[in-house]
Amino acid sequence: GQNIDQPTEMTATEGAIVQINCTYQTSGFNGLFWYQQHAGEAPTFLSYNVLDGLEEKGRFSSFLSRSKGYSYLLLKELQMKDSASYLCAVLDSNYQLIWGAGTKLIIKP
Amino acid sequence: GAVVSQHPSWVICKSGTSVKIECRSLDFQATTMFWYRQFPKQSLMLMATSNEGSKATYEQGVEKDKFLINHASLTLSTLTVTSAHPEDSSFYICSARDEWGRRSSYEQYFGPGTRLTVT
Repeated sequence: GQNIDQPTEMTATEGAIVQINCTYQTSGFNGLFWYQQHAGEAPTFLSYNVLDGLEEKGRFSSFLSRSKGYSYLLLKELQMKDSASYLCAVLDSNYQLIWGAGTKLIIKP
Repeated sequence: GAVVSQHPSWVICKSGTSVKIECRSLDFQATTMFWYRQFPKQSLMLMATSNEGSKATYEQGVEKDKFLINHASLTLSTLTVTSAHPEDSSFYICSARDEWGRRSSYEQYFGPGTRLTVT
């Protein structure tokens, strides 16, 4: 079956750095997405990785290792507004998005 | 660019009535749209994939006669919850793919969601 694993919840301090991991086992791979979702709102796109390596976009970076079935989202200089759920999703061989359950990130002052 | 709207943003209806939710891609054409449901503190659950001009593809366990999907144009898909019951109360979110866009053609742009409460 298809499976995406990410931690249920993480806590970090304002101004610090946090890494949210995602491991996947899917039928085929055509890219991995990270989305941010604030409570009561729809997800918003953060990043897309299809090749191995690190993609940096401001305070957020996303890393992919296809051989390990592994990705992480790195958030630097954490701000209170970063408190949200972070969703990992993999595009499988049929170009369908397989969603992880999401990681709730709690930022403390 | 790549804006998706949903209407209404919230709705309260009585048990047994039907509710229609609209999803529109405002500045791009979307051959494919997706309907999700999300219960509190849970992840997104894909209900169905809507293709313009053809029947929707429903995920296992989703009743197609209860959740009617129509994708009549490249910019509009509708979800009708028929004979709604309290257990249908949820956050319904649509998304669309900008399949001719410059970025990843498989990125999904999400609407703001519709919160349905059935009393």
